[in-house]
Amino acid sequence: DQQVKQNSPSLSVQEGRISILNCDYTNSMFDYFLWYKKYPAEGPTFLISISSIKDKNEDGRFTVFLNKSAKHLSLHIVPSQPGDSAVYFCAAQSTGSQGNLIFGKGTKLSVKP
Amino acid sequence: DTGVSQNPRHKITKRGQNVTFRCDPISEHNRLYWYRQTLGQGPEFLTYFQNEAQLEKSRLLSDRFSAERPKGSFSTLEIQRTEQGDSAMYLCASSNRDRLTYEQYFGPGTRLTVT
Repeated sequence: DQQVKQNSPSLSVQEGRISILNCDYTNSMFDYFLWYKKYPAEGPTFLISISSIKDKNEDGRFTVFLNKSAKHLSLHIVPSQPGDSAVYFCAAQSTGSQGNLIFGKGTKLSVKP
Repeated sequence: DTGVSQNPRHKITKRGQNVTFRCDPISEHNRLYWYRQTLGQGPEFLTYFQNEAQLEKSRLLSDRFSAERPKGSFSTLEIQRTEQGDSAMYLCASSNRDRLTYEQYFGPGTRLTVT
């Protein structure tokens, strides 16, 4: 039973446009959410996170939105750049537990020049 | 801050052999995690340490797997009698539980191929 779902395996956008990556979760105990970016042959790189007490967190070109009632979060990248092309993983955590991350299967983003 | 390092980066071994991987976390981080990632999947939690204590192990961690963090610094993950199904990327991550944020920082991983 997958607790964190990324239903779009891939996404292609034009350089300069907005990229929107989506993530759904089922476990209501999750209270902290993170996005990681992964290039081939490298480990995941932390991008941005959000606590369940917030509905938005912004860092430069990256914004994460959280809709707790829908158990849905999204990552917006504006403007998208070719260097953003990578696999993006959504991860969730229950901070009151031992803290291990539960990951989705990832979405491969391709930003075309 | 040199980040999380893992060695070796790649390991090819024959079925039935034992392998050991090493992880050096970010120096001030007191938590260390091991994950496994297979093709088309996100990383899956294996086990974690708070300082030198191993506090949780996933059901994925069979009896052939053992992890240690003897002095609360680096960690090793050993797989005994490797099987082809053990072929995967093994990722190490570290975090500082004393901080108010919960981000984990990953190393580059060790790619294991069992032939």
